[in-house]
Amino acid sequence: AQKITQTQPGMFVQEKEAVTLDCTYDTSDPSYGLFWYKQPSSGEMIFLIYQGSYDQQNATEGRYSLNFQKARKSANLVISASQLGDSAMYFCAMRELGGSEKLVFGKGMKLTVNP
Amino acid sequence: ETGVTQTPRHLVMGMTNKKSLKCEQHLGHNAMYWYKQSAKKPLELMFVYNFKEQTENNSVPSRFSPECPNSSHLFLHLHTLQPEDSALYLCASSTRLAGDPDTQYFGPGTRLTVL
Repeated sequence: AQKITQTQPGMFVQEKEAVTLDCTYDTSDPSYGLFWYKQPSSGEMIFLIYQGSYDQQNATEGRYSLNFQKARKSANLVISASQLGDSAMYFCAMRELGGSEKLVFGKGMKLTVNP
Repeated sequence: ETGVTQTPRHLVMGMTNKKSLKCEQHLGHNAMYWYKQSAKKPLELMFVYNFKEQTENNSVPSRFSPECPNSSHLFLHLHTLQPEDSALYLCASSTRLAGDPDTQYFGPGTRLTVL
């Protein structure tokens, strides 16, 4: 069964600094996709970045990059130059591409950016 | 309107009431999803519709009744709810195209309180 683990309940970072949010996963499917979402206090889940299991390079999207270490089964999100608007809940999710429709989410972690 | 919209944004109802949540996606997607997000719990998938056909019912109680009249609209009919059903209900959509990561895009959610 697929599983996502986010062990950091909360993190604090100073504005303009970089921060890494941890995510580990477990799956027996060799083909899978990893996603990161941001959820501000308003409630909407905002898609940030995607990494496929066969992608050769780490995904990047603006200030977001994904540190994908396949052998360690980790997919950490790196936010560079944090902004106050980055304060939110962050969720890591995975979908096995072998046929399952389920996008399985981790418990999330709260990031607070301090001025 | 763009993206995924949900109405109402907030709903308070008694246990004997009947109400409906509405979701509409303007992305031309083929699949739509209902999720439940309770406090301090991971996001739970409730229902999946592909091309208007229900393909997933994640053991959801019958007091929740989904309806998908077309690929752009999704409803969740509520009746005889319990206080523990109070949660944020999120709708999402995705393309469901072969070879696509099938990223799910979410609406802003309906925050439901059952008295």
